[in-house]
This record gives sequence, structure tokens and C-alpha cells, in this order.
Amino acid sequence: QQQVKQSPQSLIVQKGGISIINCAYENTAFDYFPWYQQFPGKGPALLIAIRPDVSEKKEGRFTISFNKSAKQFSLHIMDSQPGDSATYFCAASPNSGGYQKVTFGTGTKLQVIP
Amino acid sequence: SAVISQKPSRDICQRGTSLTIQCQVDSQVTMMFWYRQQPGQSLTLIATANQGSEATYESGFVIDKFPISRPNLTFSTLTVSNMSPEDSSIYLCSVVYATGQYFGPGTRLTVT
Repeated sequence: QQQVKQSPQSLIVQKGGISIINCAYENTAFDYFPWYQQFPGKGPALLIAIRPDVSEKKEGRFTISFNKSAKQFSLHIMDSQPGDSATYFCAASPNSGGYQKVTFGTGTKLQVIP
Repeated sequence: SAVISQKPSRDICQRGTSLTIQCQVDSQVTMMFWYRQQPGQSLTLIATANQGSEATYESGFVIDKFPISRPNLTFSTLTVSNMSPEDSSIYLCSVVYATGQYFGPGTRLTVT
């Protein structure tokens, strides 16, 4: 019940296209859903996060869509650029009353080709 | 966000030896976390380190293998003891602020 399932495992997108990464969860106690971007040789960097009181959050070219009834959330990268090539991790945690353990997805390796 | 540094950034170690990884944060935090990331894999929490108390280890990780120190609110160390090739991984420290969870750059450990 603590799993966060992420797909696809890898993704190749043309420059300018839309990259879409999907995640699904089972634990209904999860109420905080961050996405991380990790470049080779670097630590994961917090990219964007959403809570279930909204269905969508947008920051620049990055958008999280959230479907509470389906227990699914996704990351959309608009106008994908070669510099977006990285591994992306979704994550989830219950966040009531202070820090709660974060469960990470398995990661998606994105390659944006010119 | 947080400025988190780790030392060393990478190391190659012999089987049976130990390595201590340092993590320094630019501001005080109550909880620090240590993660392991095996090549091409996701992140696995090793333990949570609170200042002034024993670290809390996740299932599959034990203090004798991964002793942790937390001497103050900006610093922690993780030791990987009696290393074997299976310990070859990236080790990451992490902190949580109100704005989210942040990770250090990682220590890439290779055990030969």
C-alpha cells in the first residue's frame, strides 16, 4: 500500500514536444506529491509539488495534473528541451502534522533529442 | 531551499574497510536523512538522524553497518562499515524544510 508506481521507465521526446510521466498510488493517506529532477552525478532536486486540494499546478513549462479519485498524478513538460534530459522521480507522503516518510517512484529517464 | 554539501563526492574503497561520509547544511534542521541510491535505481531511506538522539533505521539497515552521528543541527555523518561490493551506491543526505525536501549532491561509493 506504500508503493508509488511510475511509468514509463524511459522516454524519448523530440525537442519542443510534450513529455508526460505518470504515477499512481494506493495509500489514501498520501496528501503531498512532489516531483524530483536528477541529472547524472547530482542529487535529486525538488521540481514541483502538489497537494490534493487542487487538480493542477503549473510552474513554467512544468505542470502537475492530479486525479484524486483515480489516485493518479502526472508530470507534463511542455516544449521539452535537451536540457530537460534527466531522470524524474515522483513521490508521495502523508503530511499531516510534520514530516512523514516519503515514498519514491522508480524513476523515468527522459531523453529530449534535438 | 537548502544548501547541502557532502564529502567526499566520490571514493573507491577496498572490501572490508569503512568510509565516513559527511553532510553539512547551511541552516539548522531538526531532522536529517540518509538515503542510498543504487545505480539506475530509486532512493531508499537508510535512517533518520535527529540531533541529540539515536538515529532511526529503516527495515533492512542496521546501526552496526551504518552508524550515524548527529552532533549538531547542521551536520551529520554516515559510516558505511565493513564494506562489500554490494555497498557500491550513491549515498545522499537530505533535509526537510517547510518548502519541501532537499538532497545533497551525493557521495558515489565504489567498493572493489
